[in-house]
Amino acid sequence: AQSVTQLGSHVSVSEGALVLLRCNYSSSVPPYLFWYVQYPNQGLQLLLKYTSAATLVKGINGFEAEFKKSETSFHLTKPSAHMSDAAEYFCAVSFYSTLTFGKGTMLLVSP
Amino acid sequence: EADIYQTPRYLVIGTGKKITLECSQTMGHDKMYWYQQDPGMELHLIHYSYGVNSTEKGDLSSESTVSRIRTEHFPLTLESARPSHTSQYLCASSELREAGEQYFGPGTRLTVT
Repeated sequence: AQSVTQLGSHVSVSEGALVLLRCNYSSSVPPYLFWYVQYPNQGLQLLLKYTSAATLVKGINGFEAEFKKSETSFHLTKPSAHMSDAAEYFCAVSFYSTLTFGKGTMLLVSP
Repeated sequence: EADIYQTPRYLVIGTGKKITLECSQTMGHDKMYWYQQDPGMELHLIHYSYGVNSTEKGDLSSESTVSRIRTEHFPLTLESARPSHTSQYLCASSELREAGEQYFGPGTRLTVT
């Protein structure tokens, strides 16, 4: 069975600070991993995905994530937070094209 | 422009009413999904479809039903709405391949009074 754990339901950063959102996965097969972002009253938008190619994956809006098999982690980072990054972020693992989502992390950005 | 659409965006309805939430995609995707999302919670898969005339139940038990008569259309129906059905419903679609990412519609926020 696949599962995803996102540490921290809320993360607060100042504008310009490093963003780090944590995601650990459990998978019985080599995983496909995704990060999605959800803005208020909207659907989910794909930020980036890992599909067993490069372990460092670059996505949209300056985000990137690194797949670490030994740590079963896929943490999302951004060097410098913008106010527009405030949203909810979901990590997901794919199994036969069905996604299992984490509980989400709300990113709060203060001026 | 290829996209995925959901209507209505917001719906407030009384207990016992029959409702249908519409989802259409112009992306040519075979696989479609319905998720239920309560405020501040993760998404739970309630239905999915591999293509026309294919429907499967997801991880979360739901009293809703779905149909897939056309590739681009995947409506969700509640025969008798109850307050416990109050939630946000998200539709998504993807290619059939394993690593195909899912594309989401804007969601329908349903409130049953």
